[in-house]
Amino acid sequence: TQLLEQSPQFLSIQEGENLTVYCNSSSVFSSLQWYRQEPGEGPVLLVTVVTGGEVKKLKRLTFQFGDARKDSSLHITAAQPGDTGLYLCAGSEGPSGNTPLVFGKGTRLSVIA
Amino acid sequence: EAGVAQSPRYKIIEKRQSVAFWCNPISGHATLYWYQQILGQGPKLLIQFQNNGVVDDSQLPKDRFSAERLKGVDSTLKIQPAKLEDSAVYLCASSLGRDNEQFFGPGTRLTVL
Repeated sequence: TQLLEQSPQFLSIQEGENLTVYCNSSSVFSSLQWYRQEPGEGPVLLVTVVTGGEVKKLKRLTFQFGDARKDSSLHITAAQPGDTGLYLCAGSEGPSGNTPLVFGKGTRLSVIA
Repeated sequence: EAGVAQSPRYKIIEKRQSVAFWCNPISGHATLYWYQQILGQGPKLLIQFQNNGVVDDSQLPKDRFSAERLKGVDSTLKIQPAKLEDSAVYLCASSLGRDNEQFFGPGTRLTVL
């Protein structure tokens, strides 16, 4: 059974600081996704990475997929209060298209103004 | 484009009662998922449909949970009878099937007393 470990579980920082959250597994994934979930809402997809070593940027967010496709990181530059939320990584072992995702427990980020 | 719709948003029942949740996926999405998200954890897949057929229900507690997707569009998830440990947010998601990009509804928060 795949297991995705996310760290840290909780993170509270001041506005303007940088941060990195991690997603690690012993399994190899064909794709890995990052979601953000706000209270009372469902997760919203931020990015999908599929190639080992891939780096994707989304404004102040930088996502990296490990070379071996077993781990990923999310780096936020100059965090803002609007970045507050639960960040979830989810991986799929199978070929792309309709393969069940396994989610980590998430990193709960709080950005204080 | 309308998102994934779920109802009700909140439900409070007593243990041993029955409850049903409804999901309307994004138009044209052939794949539909039901997830259970317990407080402090990531979503856990309960069942996955491709059109009106079940692709994966290996983590669905079939002695009390059932789900159907008649006509390959809307879906219902039922719990009968409910237990205290069923208290969670039940999320519905849908996808076209490409690269596992799933779009989530807002969820139904179930409290079992």
